[in-house]
Amino acid sequence: KQEVTQIPAALSVPEGENLVLNCSFTDSAIYNLQWFRQDPGKGLTSLLLIQSSQREQTSGRLNASLDKSSGRSTLYIAASQPGDSATYLCAAAGNSGGYQKVTFGTGTKLQVIP
Amino acid sequence: DAGVTQSPTHLIKTRGQQVTLRCSPKSGHDTVSWYQQALGQGPQFIFQYYEEEERQRGNFPDRFSGHQFPNYSSELNVNALLLGDSALYLCASSLRGQPQHFGDGTRLSIL
Repeated sequence: KQEVTQIPAALSVPEGENLVLNCSFTDSAIYNLQWFRQDPGKGLTSLLLIQSSQREQTSGRLNASLDKSSGRSTLYIAASQPGDSATYLCAAAGNSGGYQKVTFGTGTKLQVIP
Repeated sequence: DAGVTQSPTHLIKTRGQQVTLRCSPKSGHDTVSWYQQALGQGPQFIFQYYEEEERQRGNFPDRFSGHQFPNYSSELNVNALLLGDSALYLCASSLRGQPQHFGDGTRLSIL
């Protein structure tokens, strides 16, 4: 059974700081790992998706890495801004009976202080 | 091209009632998955539908049931509502084996 853990649960940083969010998973047999952003009371916005054959993906100030052998992924946010304040979720997609099953972590709540 | 759409956006029910939530998948997608997200938690997998059949299921009681229609849209039904069923219910669609796309969810409150 896949288990996904995110550390820390909450993080508060001053504006402009670079930061790293961590995600670990127990089953390395994944199709992909995806990072999402969720604003309060809202749905999920996909930020980055890393296929199992890839090591990292970049979009603007965001960079996500994947190390399947160690069961870890990190989301790096450069030059953080108050608008980055949100909950960040990672999700590992694996095979379950021939169908894709996605397991989420519990999220890291980020607050960027102006 | 519309993404995944869910209705209604908000819903208030009382204990013991029944509720139906609806999801229209992204155009071209044939698989629909449902998730429950309690406050402060990550989404938990409820079940997945493909070709109008439930293909896999998470750890949820039989009070949670679903349906997929020939046009790939889907419904989530919950019977005998409990206070603990209060949550954001998320629908995700995909083409089998491809990454899932999520809707904005339905916020269900049980009084």
